[in-house]
Amino acid sequence: EPEVTQTPSHQVTQMGQEVILRCVPISNHLYFYWYRQILGQKVEFLVSFYNNEISEKSEIFDDQFSVERPDGSNFTLKIRSTKLEDSAMYFCASRGGNNEQFFGPGTRLTVL
Amino acid sequence: EDQVTQSPEALRLQEGESSSLNCSYTVSGLRGLFWYRQDPGKGPEFLFTLYSAGEEKEKERLKATLTKKESFLHITAPKPEDSATYLCAVQAWRGGYNKLIFGAGTRLAVHP
Repeated sequence: EPEVTQTPSHQVTQMGQEVILRCVPISNHLYFYWYRQILGQKVEFLVSFYNNEISEKSEIFDDQFSVERPDGSNFTLKIRSTKLEDSAMYFCASRGGNNEQFFGPGTRLTVL
Repeated sequence: EDQVTQSPEALRLQEGESSSLNCSYTVSGLRGLFWYRQDPGKGPEFLFTLYSAGEEKEKERLKATLTKKESFLHITAPKPEDSATYLCAVQAWRGGYNKLIFGAGTRLAVHP
């Protein structure tokens, strides 16, 4: 069964450093999303991406964040200068022609 | 503002003891309501999508129902492997690319 994959599973970084989180969406899906979940809190929408451009972003997704689909299979989230409050689980999701979003296993980001 | 409230926060059941989880929502124009299961440290796993009041969906011991103000996830004769956090999310017609707005979840523990 096709699934969304994410790497790395855990990323530890120092405050101020750049991180790139990687996702491989389900192969025939066209819509891609990033969500995050701070420990003990709700899953929050960050950004949606379609046709090689951002289609919607939340207030959280400020200038420190960017997304890219560098090739036909990968979808990345970059945080340019990490803050302590960026520590969270980051989930990638993708959706095809129906309306169901399928989530990856997540990347746990720890900012020290 | 779109909002999703889930109750109870936590539920402890004995194996075989049926119960229901509640998701009440406020959204300006519901496009869809989604149920996900989330195991600790994992990504949300898609369960159901409901689109209109009166709709019901079933999968094994789970049945989801929808009214104009809330959704219920009924668990019949649960087993310990049903222990997880169950997340409800709504999607509004407003906006093009259909972000999900999540509730805080119900943590279900099923004991033998």
